[in-house]
Order: sequence, then structure tokens, then C-alpha cells
Amino acid sequence: DAGVIQSPRHEVTEMGQEVTLRCKPISGHDYLFWYRQTMMRGLELLIYFNNNVPIDDSGMPEDRFSAKMPNASFSTLKIQPSEPRDSAVYFCASCLGTGGGGQYFGPGTRLTVT
Amino acid sequence: GQNIDQPTEMTATEGAIVQINCTYQTSGFNGLFWYQQHAGEAPTFLSYNVLDGLEEKGRFSSFLSRSKGYSYLLLKELQMKDSASYLCAVRDPYGQNFVFGPGTRLSVLP
Repeated sequence: DAGVIQSPRHEVTEMGQEVTLRCKPISGHDYLFWYRQTMMRGLELLIYFNNNVPIDDSGMPEDRFSAKMPNASFSTLKIQPSEPRDSAVYFCASCLGTGGGGQYFGPGTRLTVT
Repeated sequence: GQNIDQPTEMTATEGAIVQINCTYQTSGFNGLFWYQQHAGEAPTFLSYNVLDGLEEKGRFSSFLSRSKGYSYLLLKELQMKDSASYLCAVRDPYGQNFVFGPGTRLSVLP
């Protein structure tokens, strides 16, 4: 299994530009999560999906952030417009069910907004 | 809500045993997870506790006391490659909402 795949691995953009992060979860996993990690705030859950349906988006910072999961093998996190404070590593993770198997994280996208 | 606390940094010697503590205050609880994260990499799942007691997995063990809101990760026979951050995370009882602690950066010295 290839694991969780994220693209791009690095993104540098200017303030005000639109940024789209992509994620392919592990095949068969029914939960998908988007996290953001910074030195100041640690690892924060932004949103998670169950069977492609958004369940909890209370962690999404503001309306500039949106996430979609059009099918079981693809999800996007979009920031429009981007701001310097959005600079962080964004992780996608997936898991199967609600048991104790833990989540599998992708390699992350390091976003820098100048 | 959830509030999770961990020591910021710890140092230990190769071959030794180290215990990393995690305390939490929560309005609900449905499992505590430990993850390892090497610098510049993604977190990887280590262990899961939902009932009180000790779960052992090779060199790593994790303990949970729900009444005390307390868990620890025990690492035995430390190796240099164990130098990493260790994150504890609590899952809420209503779904899959995870709250992560700030992480403990462990340095293993020769």
C-alpha cells in the first residue's frame, strides 16, 4: 500500500493567492482528516470526513478555508485568499472505523505564504 | 472541551528507560493515543488505550488511568532512533474528533 498521498509537498505562494492542497487516503479507509501543525499551536484538527461527508469542521479557522471530498479516494483543502499566518505544515490522515487502530498520516504539505 | 498537558522536553541515555507523561481534562473520553513524530516527518501511530491499565508493544508500553486523567508512554532500551517528539491525543466520545497534546521532544544521548 502506498499510504496516504499528499501533494504538493512544498508550496510557496504570495499573500492573496489561492492555495489547493490535495490528499489521497489509504484505500478502504472511511475516515479522512485534515490537520495543521505549527510550532506555536501544535497539531490541530481542522475538519474530518466520514464516507466522504464532512462531520466536524469546527476546527476550520475561518471562511477562507474550505475542504471537499468528492469521492472516497480524493480530498482537497483550499485556502482563498491565503495569508502569511496560514504558513504551516498541513497533514492529511485516514483511518478505518472508530476503533483503536490509530490514524495514518500523509507526509504533509509545507505551506509558506509570503 | 479538551485540555492536554505534556512536558516540553526530556533527555535520556541510550539503553535507559524513560517515561513520558500526559495529563488531560476532558468533557468526554473515548480513547487515548500515542504518536511518534521525527523532525520533519509525519506522526506515526504507536499505541491506544481506552480501558485502564497497561498496554505493552515490544519496547513501548502505554498506561492509562481514566479516573486521574493520566497516561504515560514508557520506552525501554532506548535507542538513538527514539529521539523524536511524542504526542498524546484524546478522542472525544461523539465521533472522531482528536485533540493532540503539545508533544514531548525526547533526546536520546549516547
